[in-house]
Amino acid sequence: QVQLQESGPGLVKPSQTLSLTCAVSGDSVTNNHCYWNWIRQPAGKGLEWIGRIYTTGSTSYNPSLKSRADISLDTSTNQFFLRLTSVTAADTAIYYCVREVLTGYFFTAWGQGTTVTVSS
Amino acid sequence: QSALTQPASVSGSPGQSITISCAGSSSDVGYYNLVSWYQQHPGRAPKLIISEVHKRPSGVSNRFSASKSGSTASLTISGLQAEDEADYFCCSYMGNSIVVFGGGTKLTVL
Repeated sequence: QVQLQESGPGLVKPSQTLSLTCAVSGDSVTNNHCYWNWIRQPAGKGLEWIGRIYTTGSTSYNPSLKSRADISLDTSTNQFFLRLTSVTAADTAIYYCVREVLTGYFFTAWGQGTTVTVSS
Repeated sequence: QSALTQPASVSGSPGQSITISCAGSSSDVGYYNLVSWYQQHPGRAPKLIISEVHKRPSGVSNRFSASKSGSTASLTISGLQAEDEADYFCCSYMGNSIVVFGGGTKLTVL
Protein backbone atom coordinates (compact mmCIF):
# COMPACT_ATOMS: atom_id res chain seq x y z
CA GLN A 1 0.00 0.00 0.00
CA VAL A 2 1.42 3.36 -1.02
CA GLN A 3 2.41 5.80 1.69
CA LEU A 4 3.46 9.40 1.26
CA GLN A 5 5.21 11.46 3.92
CA GLU A 6 5.82 15.18 3.73
CA SER A 7 8.71 16.87 5.48
CA GLY A 8 10.23 20.32 5.63
CA PRO A 9 10.48 23.47 7.71
CA GLY A 10 7.34 24.43 9.55
CA LEU A 11 8.21 28.13 9.51
CA VAL A 12 9.38 30.20 6.57
CA LYS A 13 10.03 33.92 6.50
CA PRO A 14 8.20 36.18 4.04
CA SER A 15 9.92 36.57 0.66
CA GLN A 16 11.93 33.39 1.20
CA THR A 17 11.56 30.00 -0.47
CA LEU A 18 9.43 27.19 0.92
CA SER A 19 10.96 23.75 0.29
CA LEU A 20 9.16 20.48 0.99
CA THR A 21 9.99 16.84 0.40
CA CYS A 22 7.62 13.93 -0.14
CA ALA A 23 8.95 10.45 0.56
CA VAL A 24 7.09 7.73 -1.29
CA SER A 25 6.93 4.12 -0.14
CA GLY A 26 4.93 1.24 -1.54
CA ASP A 27 5.10 2.72 -5.03
CA SER A 28 7.70 4.31 -7.24
CA VAL A 29 7.94 7.84 -8.59
CA THR A 30 8.91 6.09 -11.83
CA ASN A 31 5.44 4.52 -12.02
CA ASN A 32 4.21 5.54 -15.45
CA HIS A 33 0.55 5.12 -14.43
CA CYS A 34 0.39 8.08 -12.10
CA TYR A 35 1.37 11.65 -11.37
CA TRP A 36 2.77 13.07 -8.18
CA ASN A 37 1.12 16.22 -6.86
CA TRP A 38 1.24 18.92 -4.25
CA ILE A 39 -2.05 20.26 -2.87
CA ARG A 40 -2.44 22.77 -0.06
CA GLN A 41 -5.16 23.83 2.36
CA PRO A 42 -5.15 27.00 4.45
CA ALA A 43 -6.51 26.40 7.92
CA GLY A 44 -10.29 26.07 7.84
CA LYS A 45 -10.43 26.60 4.09
CA GLY A 46 -10.64 24.66 0.85
CA LEU A 47 -8.13 22.70 -1.16
CA GLU A 48 -5.88 24.29 -3.77
CA TRP A 49 -4.03 22.25 -6.36
CA ILE A 50 -0.43 23.46 -6.72
CA GLY A 51 0.95 21.22 -9.43
CA ARG A 52 2.09 17.78 -10.53
CA ILE A 53 5.06 15.94 -11.95
CA TYR A 54 5.31 12.82 -14.09
CA THR A 55 8.11 10.28 -14.03
CA THR A 56 9.61 11.89 -17.14
CA GLY A 57 9.98 15.17 -15.25
CA SER A 58 7.11 16.80 -17.12
CA THR A 59 5.24 19.26 -14.88
CA SER A 60 1.99 21.21 -14.73
CA TYR A 61 1.18 24.06 -12.36
CA ASN A 62 -1.74 26.10 -11.12
CA PRO A 63 -1.57 29.36 -13.08
CA SER A 64 -2.64 31.29 -9.98
CA LEU A 65 0.78 30.69 -8.45
CA LYS A 66 2.33 32.80 -11.19
CA SER A 67 5.38 30.62 -11.79
CA ARG A 68 6.46 30.63 -8.12
CA ALA A 69 6.13 26.84 -7.84
CA ASP A 70 8.67 24.27 -8.98
CA ILE A 71 8.20 20.51 -8.57
CA SER A 72 10.98 18.02 -9.12
CA LEU A 73 11.68 14.39 -8.36
CA ASP A 74 14.59 12.14 -7.43
CA THR A 75 14.23 8.56 -8.64
CA SER A 76 17.24 7.40 -6.61
CA THR A 77 15.57 8.30 -3.33
CA ASN A 78 11.97 7.81 -4.50
CA GLN A 79 11.07 11.34 -3.46
CA PHE A 80 9.57 14.39 -5.04
CA PHE A 81 9.87 18.01 -4.01
CA LEU A 82 8.12 21.37 -3.93
CA ARG A 83 9.81 24.74 -4.02
CA LEU A 84 7.65 27.82 -3.69
CA THR A 85 9.45 31.13 -4.01
CA SER A 86 8.68 34.60 -2.70
CA VAL A 87 6.26 33.34 -0.07
CA THR A 88 3.80 35.55 1.79
CA ALA A 89 1.37 34.96 4.64
CA ALA A 90 -1.13 33.78 2.02
CA ASP A 91 1.04 30.71 1.50
CA THR A 92 0.48 29.57 5.09
CA ALA A 93 -1.28 26.22 4.81
CA ILE A 94 -1.19 22.49 5.27
CA TYR A 95 0.71 21.05 2.32
CA TYR A 96 -0.16 17.56 1.09
CA CYS A 97 1.74 15.37 -1.31
CA VAL A 98 -0.66 13.26 -3.32
CA ARG A 99 -0.67 10.48 -5.91
CA GLU A 100 -2.93 10.95 -8.93
CA VAL A 101 -4.12 8.36 -11.44
CA LEU A 102 -2.90 9.00 -14.98
CA THR A 103 -5.67 10.36 -17.25
CA GLY A 104 -8.25 10.24 -14.49
CA TYR A 105 -7.38 13.48 -12.76
CA PHE A 106 -8.33 12.10 -9.37
CA PHE A 107 -6.23 11.69 -6.26
CA THR A 108 -5.94 8.22 -4.79
CA ALA A 109 -3.41 8.55 -2.00
CA TRP A 110 -2.57 11.45 0.27
CA GLY A 111 0.18 12.13 2.75
CA GLN A 112 -0.81 13.21 6.24
CA GLY A 113 0.10 16.81 5.43
CA THR A 114 2.63 19.20 6.86
CA THR A 115 1.85 22.64 8.22
CA VAL A 116 3.87 25.54 6.89
CA THR A 117 3.57 28.98 8.43
CA VAL A 118 4.93 32.06 6.71
CA SER A 119 5.87 34.61 9.32
CA SER A 120 8.78 36.78 10.31
CA GLN B 1 -9.23 29.92 -12.35
CA SER B 2 -12.37 30.14 -10.17
CA ALA B 3 -13.14 27.49 -7.63
CA LEU B 4 -16.18 25.31 -8.12
CA THR B 5 -19.18 26.41 -6.05
CA GLN B 6 -20.41 24.25 -3.21
CA PRO B 7 -22.85 25.09 -0.40
CA ALA B 8 -20.95 25.98 2.75
CA SER B 9 -22.95 23.56 4.86
CA VAL B 10 -25.64 20.92 4.73
CA SER B 11 -27.22 18.87 7.48
CA GLY B 12 -29.39 15.84 7.92
CA SER B 13 -30.60 13.39 10.51
CA PRO B 14 -29.37 9.81 10.80
CA GLY B 15 -30.99 7.62 8.19
CA GLN B 16 -31.88 10.49 5.90
CA SER B 17 -30.33 11.33 2.52
CA ILE B 18 -28.56 14.53 1.62
CA THR B 19 -27.19 15.93 -1.62
CA ILE B 20 -24.24 18.26 -2.03
CA SER B 21 -24.01 20.24 -5.25
CA CYS B 22 -20.89 21.36 -7.08
CA ALA B 23 -21.47 24.04 -9.66
CA GLY B 24 -18.91 24.64 -12.35
CA SER B 25 -19.00 25.87 -15.92
CA SER B 26 -19.09 24.61 -19.47
CA SER B 27 -15.28 24.61 -19.39
CA ASP B 28 -14.86 22.20 -16.51
CA VAL B 29 -17.70 20.20 -14.94
CA GLY B 30 -19.89 20.68 -17.97
CA TYR B 31 -17.26 19.60 -20.48
CA TYR B 32 -15.31 16.78 -18.87
CA ASN B 33 -16.53 13.64 -17.09
CA LEU B 34 -13.65 14.06 -14.69
CA VAL B 35 -15.29 15.12 -11.45
CA SER B 36 -14.12 13.57 -8.21
CA TRP B 37 -15.26 13.89 -4.61
CA TYR B 38 -13.28 13.76 -1.38
CA GLN B 39 -14.28 13.30 2.25
CA GLN B 40 -12.19 14.97 4.95
CA HIS B 41 -12.60 14.39 8.65
CA PRO B 42 -11.16 16.99 11.05
CA GLY B 43 -7.40 16.80 11.28
CA ARG B 44 -7.18 14.17 8.58
CA ALA B 45 -6.15 14.14 4.94
CA PRO B 46 -8.88 14.02 2.32
CA LYS B 47 -10.03 10.62 1.07
CA LEU B 48 -11.26 9.84 -2.43
CA ILE B 49 -14.88 8.67 -2.43
CA ILE B 50 -15.94 9.22 -6.05
CA SER B 51 -13.93 9.42 -9.28
CA GLU B 52 -14.91 10.20 -12.87
CA VAL B 53 -18.33 11.61 -11.91
CA HIS B 54 -19.85 8.47 -10.42
CA LYS B 55 -17.29 5.71 -9.86
CA ARG B 56 -16.88 4.47 -6.31
CA PRO B 57 -13.42 3.15 -5.35
CA SER B 58 -13.18 -0.20 -3.70
CA GLY B 59 -13.99 0.02 -0.02
CA VAL B 60 -16.19 3.09 -0.25
CA SER B 61 -19.72 2.54 1.05
CA ASN B 62 -22.46 2.22 -1.56
CA ARG B 63 -24.35 4.83 0.46
CA PHE B 64 -22.25 7.33 -1.51
CA SER B 65 -23.39 8.03 -5.04
CA ALA B 66 -22.79 10.86 -7.48
CA SER B 67 -23.92 12.20 -10.81
CA LYS B 68 -23.65 15.18 -13.12
CA SER B 69 -26.19 17.27 -14.97
CA GLY B 70 -24.93 20.01 -17.24
CA SER B 71 -22.33 22.02 -15.35
CA THR B 72 -23.38 20.82 -11.90
CA ALA B 73 -22.16 17.67 -10.20
CA SER B 74 -23.88 16.20 -7.17
CA LEU B 75 -22.92 13.88 -4.35
CA THR B 76 -25.66 12.01 -2.51
CA ILE B 77 -25.21 10.27 0.80
CA SER B 78 -28.04 7.97 1.75
CA GLY B 79 -28.77 6.42 5.13
CA LEU B 80 -26.79 9.14 6.91
CA GLN B 81 -24.58 7.93 9.73
CA ALA B 82 -22.73 9.86 12.40
CA GLU B 83 -19.42 8.89 10.79
CA ASP B 84 -20.42 10.75 7.62
CA GLU B 85 -20.02 14.06 9.43
CA ALA B 86 -17.08 15.63 7.61
CA ASP B 87 -16.11 18.16 4.97
CA TYR B 88 -16.70 17.21 1.34
CA PHE B 89 -14.85 18.64 -1.65
CA CYS B 90 -15.50 18.28 -5.35
CA CYS B 91 -12.79 18.55 -7.98
CA SER B 92 -12.91 18.86 -11.75
CA TYR B 93 -10.49 18.78 -14.62
CA MET B 94 -10.63 22.02 -16.58
CA GLY B 95 -8.29 21.36 -19.46
CA ASN B 96 -4.62 22.25 -19.99
CA SER B 97 -3.64 19.70 -17.32
CA ILE B 98 -5.24 21.84 -14.61
CA VAL B 99 -7.71 20.79 -11.93
CA VAL B 100 -9.84 22.95 -9.67
CA PHE B 101 -11.50 22.20 -6.34
CA GLY B 102 -14.75 23.36 -4.84
CA GLY B 103 -14.72 25.42 -1.68
CA GLY B 104 -15.96 22.50 0.39
CA THR B 105 -19.19 21.63 2.21
CA LYS B 106 -19.45 20.88 5.89
CA LEU B 107 -21.90 18.06 6.54
CA THR B 108 -23.49 17.98 9.98
CA VAL B 109 -25.36 14.88 11.10
CA LEU B 110 -27.99 16.12 13.54
